[in-house]
Amino acid sequence: DADVTQTPRNRITKTGKRIMLECSQTKGHDRMYWYRQDPGLGLRLIYYSFDVKDINKGEISDGYSVSRQAQAKFSLSLESAIPNQTALYFCATSDSKGVRGQGTGEQYFGPGTRLTVT
Amino acid sequence: AQKITQTQPGMFVQEKEAVTLDCTYDTSDQSYGLFWYKQPSSGEMIFLIYQGSYDEQNATEGRYSLNFQKARKSANLVISASQLGDSAMYFCAMREGHGQNFVFGPGTRLSVLP
Repeated sequence: DADVTQTPRNRITKTGKRIMLECSQTKGHDRMYWYRQDPGLGLRLIYYSFDVKDINKGEISDGYSVSRQAQAKFSLSLESAIPNQTALYFCATSDSKGVRGQGTGEQYFGPGTRLTVT
Repeated sequence: AQKITQTQPGMFVQEKEAVTLDCTYDTSDQSYGLFWYKQPSSGEMIFLIYQGSYDEQNATEGRYSLNFQKARKSANLVISASQLGDSAMYFCAMREGHGQNFVFGPGTRLSVLP
């Protein structure tokens, strides 16, 4: 089974609809992230969470909200979807122990959710 | 200002040859980490290699090595003996400080020719 899972994998929705993307992990990591990927722009950070009670905005948080329901679950919501939110969305996790010198702190990614807003 | 610059949008390499993918970064932190990820056409992001800012030796992982030149703020990925399966997008990324800032470059598309 994959360590980081995302649901749904693909979603087509209409402008103005509310949509939630879900991420679950079995790696036991404390940190979780949401990114979006657009062609030619690499990955851009939407929100990140260092633990259940610590949620922070990333580079492009406008139009998005998140919820960290448990250490293993981190959801991304689009309150009112618009066409320029059409993108590939990735969830990622990392282990803070890596940053404090016991590892590298690399991020592990889910398989991605391809979202299309029409 | 761009934190991570990858100046090669696309690269071609002949199978079995070595290729270098460029990455330069910008940070004022003393402690940071540099990463390379591979994204094949299937879309997943695969971690390849890591270099810490205090590491004195260049990182190596199998056919991947990272040419770390701290004074130049460059962290180029070298792939030796390219294989057809190496065709993918490659992203350079940087973690600053304690990890609150993790940024990716725009990527380089590598095509390995038979």
